[in-house]
Amino acid sequence: EDQVTQSPEALRLQEGESSSLNCSYTVSGLRGLFWYRQDPGKGPEFLFTLYSAGEEKEKERLKATLTKKESFLHITAPKPEDSATYLCAANTGTASKLTFGTGTRLQVTL
Amino acid sequence: ETGVTQTPRHLVMGMTNKKSLKCEQHLGHNAMYWYKQSAKKPLELMFVYSLEERVENNSVPSRFSPECPNSSHLFLHLHTLQPEDSALYLCASSQDLDREALHFGNGTRLTVT
Repeated sequence: EDQVTQSPEALRLQEGESSSLNCSYTVSGLRGLFWYRQDPGKGPEFLFTLYSAGEEKEKERLKATLTKKESFLHITAPKPEDSATYLCAANTGTASKLTFGTGTRLQVTL
Repeated sequence: ETGVTQTPRHLVMGMTNKKSLKCEQHLGHNAMYWYKQSAKKPLELMFVYSLEERVENNSVPSRFSPECPNSSHLFLHLHTLQPEDSALYLCASSQDLDREALHFGNGTRLTVT
């Protein structure tokens, strides 16, 4: 059974304190690894897709990386507006074959 | 409006009521999805439609009934729900089934009393 595990469950950082979120996956035939951001009371917002080990993508203070077993979302010098829940999902087929993790709730304080 | 719009944002219903959730996408996408999001659980895929044809039904109880009249609109009809059905129901769309980046609406927060 395909499985995606995210850690930590919650993370509290001070502004400017860089850190990483982990997404480990056990799936048969990864076709893509996705990161989403979800703010309270809103739906998930697409951030990145990674397709192969070694691939990296960046957006502002966020950088996503992928290995054969896990993906990391690195947050450099975070700001309070980066506070959200970050979800990762592994795709093993068409878009209906996404397996989501339970998310990491990030809080960035001043 | 742009993106994916869901109405209502909040819904409280009794176990014997019948209600419907509505989703509309303004992105010109061909695939639409219903997901259920419960606290501390991963998103659960409920239904998938591609070009108005249902392509997936993930063992969802019959008290949930989807309808996709065209590629821009998706409904979820609810009847005789249980308290454990209380959750955030998210609609999403993608260009097609092979384009995996989903665009989500902001969901309907459903409470069953």
